[in-house]
Amino acid sequence: AQSVTQLGSHVSVSEGALVLLRCNYSSSVPPYLFWYVQYPNQGLQLLLKYTTGATLVKGINGFEAEFKKSETSFHLTKPSAHMSDAAEYFCAVSERGGGFKTIFGAGTRLFVKA
Amino acid sequence: GAGVSQSPSNKVTEKGKDVELRCDPISGHTALYWYRQRLGQGLEFLIYFQGNSAPDKSGLPSDRFSAERTGESVSTLTIQRTQQEDSAVYLCASSLLSYNEQFFGPGTRLTVL
Repeated sequence: AQSVTQLGSHVSVSEGALVLLRCNYSSSVPPYLFWYVQYPNQGLQLLLKYTTGATLVKGINGFEAEFKKSETSFHLTKPSAHMSDAAEYFCAVSERGGGFKTIFGAGTRLFVKA
Repeated sequence: GAGVSQSPSNKVTEKGKDVELRCDPISGHTALYWYRQRLGQGLEFLIYFQGNSAPDKSGLPSDRFSAERTGESVSTLTIQRTQQEDSAVYLCASSLLSYNEQFFGPGTRLTVL
């Protein structure tokens, strides 16, 4: 069975600092991996996804994530945080093949300090 | 094209009343999910529909919760005998196939007095 663990329910960084949000998954087959973002008082939207091919994927607003099969991780990074990055971030995993649902992590709230 | 729509956007009800929440997915999307999000918390999976397969109801918190989906179109989530702890935003999402990215609706904010 698939599962997702996001380490740290809250992460605080200073503006301009590196953002690192951690996500580990378990899956019996190669997964599809996603990061979604929820800005304050807004709906969830896709930030980036990994399906096949290059393991380093780039998303919107300068975020990127790297699929590391050996570590079963899909950590989200951004070199320099902006105040506008303050939001809730959710990692999600789907197992390949029809009939498998997507599982979301518990979320990590990112705070950006001026 | 049109995204996922949900209605009503807000619902205030009295404890003990039944409520029905509606979700219109993106046309052609075979998978549909319902989630609950309490204030300041993460997504709580409720139920998942995939095509004509039997729905995955493993996330429904009690037998007061039920959901239906007509083919690959509209879905309704029904909460019977509402309780104050049911107060939350109920989110619907659809995806082309079960393992694809999900597109979320704006949610229904339910308040049980």
